[in-house]
Amino acid sequence: NAGVTQTPKFRVLKTGQSMTLLCAQDMNHEYMYWYRQDPGMGLRLIHYSVGEGTTAKGEVPDGYNVSRLKKQNFLLGLESAAPSQTSVYFCASSYPPQSTGGGQPQHFGDGTRLSIL
Amino acid sequence: AQSVTQLGSHVSVSEGALVLLRCNYSSSVPPYLFWYVQYPNQGLQLLLKYTSAATLVKGINGFEAEFKKSETSFHLTKPSAHMSDAAEYFCAVSESSGYSTLTFGKGTMLLVSP
Repeated sequence: NAGVTQTPKFRVLKTGQSMTLLCAQDMNHEYMYWYRQDPGMGLRLIHYSVGEGTTAKGEVPDGYNVSRLKKQNFLLGLESAAPSQTSVYFCASSYPPQSTGGGQPQHFGDGTRLSIL
Repeated sequence: AQSVTQLGSHVSVSEGALVLLRCNYSSSVPPYLFWYVQYPNQGLQLLLKYTSAATLVKGINGFEAEFKKSETSFHLTKPSAHMSDAAEYFCAVSESSGYSTLTFGKGTMLLVSP
């Protein structure tokens, strides 16, 4: 039972390079999320998706793009990497809120550690 | 808008002592509240969640949290700390409307000494 899988686990980039982080989930979740984690800042939402083909901006979306072409995958792209994007990136997934309004917990991957020189 | 404040970036306890990690939230609608734990080099794991049922919520590994609306708090406790509890703990709030995105606190690192 894999849950949420992030690829790659580590990466070093030079300023200006581009790359794509891949997130895959096997729980048939509708919702998927990308966060970044920086020391002393907690997790901040970059983008999220409430279904295949839909994406929305989170708290810190600048410099990132996302795509959700398949329900099980959520891609995070950096078109022109900057040192300020050095961080640990987490993907998460969840069911949609319950019809009664109940909050659904999010399930997290193990993260991608990205360094930009 | 929703927000979460975790008091204390680091909390130190002795093994066997009470663990108390504080979380206060701000939300314009009834909130859903979560505690997550992160061990080194791992993702976040759900400890427990409050979703408007019982105000005292029991989670995994002996942790529990109490929702106090009047104090807008959701503090995490454990009667007796174990060395394996050393980790970073995050409180998060989700509103009961919209897409229920999570807003996280900045985290509290729990240090447990022998």
